[in-house]
Amino acid sequence: EVQLVESGGGLVQPGRSLKLSCAASGFTFSDYNMAWVRQAPKKGLEWVATISYDGSSTYYRDSVKGRFTISRDNAKSTLYLQMDSLRSEDTATYYCARHNYYYGDFDYWGQGVMVTVSS
Amino acid sequence: DVVMTQTPPSLSVAIGQSVSISCKSSQSLVYSDGKTYLHWLLQSSGRSPKRLIYQVSNLDSGVPDRFSGTGSQKDFTLKISRVEAKDLGVYYCAQTTHFPLTFGSGTKLEIK
Repeated sequence: EVQLVESGGGLVQPGRSLKLSCAASGFTFSDYNMAWVRQAPKKGLEWVATISYDGSSTYYRDSVKGRFTISRDNAKSTLYLQMDSLRSEDTATYYCARHNYYYGDFDYWGQGVMVTVSS
Repeated sequence: DVVMTQTPPSLSVAIGQSVSISCKSSQSLVYSDGKTYLHWLLQSSGRSPKRLIYQVSNLDSGVPDRFSGTGSQKDFTLKISRVEAKDLGVYYCAQTTHFPLTFGSGTKLEIK
């Protein structure tokens, strides 16, 4: 059974940093691209970043480029999102999702982790 | 960025009725490989999103055939026949043809 479990969320002040983790199991992690998708309170879904199966390629939305870094450790089957210079508009539930290369969609999602940026 | 315009924003339907949700993109979603990367997801209340349909019309495993997806280029539709109570939630379309990847604003399905 595919499982994605996020951790590392919490309350952080504007301008500070936070690192999210996503522990994957139930599939060969190193075979799949992975992504982070967020959802602000009462809002819709917003793609944040994607990383290729081997970590060689990364893609970001413009609003987080230069502030967020997506990375992965295939030996640990873990995905990360380093978030620096956080802003109030980054407040959201962050989902880890498997980005299926063959079908192009997000075929499995984690339960999400809440990040609140506030002073 | 590709804008995904999803309508209606909400639907109230009686059990057993059929509904359709529209999703229109600001650009063609046909990729250079000839495939169309338009997908549908369902987010039930308080839960994480769940895959429903991928590449326009392919149902995820376990999704009943009451659900169907159609469309091409820039115009797509999700149809739910014989709505059941467990179908309630927010439906999103998503395109993964162009970066940045984008989602529709969602359609909330409520049961009368």
